[in-house]
Amino acid sequence: ETGVTQSPTHLIKTRGQQVTLRCSSQSGHNTVSWYQQALGQGPQFIFQYYREEENGRGNFPPRFSGLQFPNYSSELNVNALELDDSALYLCASSFTLALLGGLGEQFFGPGTRLTVL
Amino acid sequence: AQKITQTQPGMFVQEKEAVTLDCTYDTSDPSYGLFWYKQPSSGEMIFLIYQGSYDQQNATEGRYSLNFQKARKSANLVISASQLGDSAMYFCAMIGGGFKTIFGAGTRLFVKA
Repeated sequence: ETGVTQSPTHLIKTRGQQVTLRCSSQSGHNTVSWYQQALGQGPQFIFQYYREEENGRGNFPPRFSGLQFPNYSSELNVNALELDDSALYLCASSFTLALLGGLGEQFFGPGTRLTVL
Repeated sequence: AQKITQTQPGMFVQEKEAVTLDCTYDTSDPSYGLFWYKQPSSGEMIFLIYQGSYDQQNATEGRYSLNFQKARKSANLVISASQLGDSAMYFCAMIGGGFKTIFGAGTRLFVKA
């Protein structure tokens, strides 16, 4: 059983640029969630994808967008980067039996550390 | 609105002793899940234990147990026989019917030799 993987591990961008982060879910999982963790804080929920559709979103602007692919891997895209976007971005995968039954354990990847200059 | 509160910014425990990390939550969802994660300095979030709101028994995973008191809306993590490798940040988290997971601010645990 393979765990959750994320790429790249580190990334440096400048303000105004766009970035794409990638996540491969754990084998057997069909749901992916993305989180932003600023230094010294707890993770903040960005959104969740199930069956290639977004089915939950936190308080993040539309310039944060995502995709889930048929193999359940996922991308997080951030447009018009701002300095405050500098953070550790975590991806978590889980298994959802049905749309109302997705309350199981989430397993996290190692994260992508994004620095915006 | 959902909320997770961890009131202990930092905790010290002697090696081999037990420690309790506090977590209280607030939600109007009838069905929800509660998690505890460990985050070492490397940054990776390590799943420790999960409790569903309808689970009758407290969850246990090795040295970790979750003291779930539904009426009090608390989900404290108990670590028995602390080890030096337990030094890390610990986060309590909750997922509800809206599929939005929220995390507490975390508790930094220091295990003393």
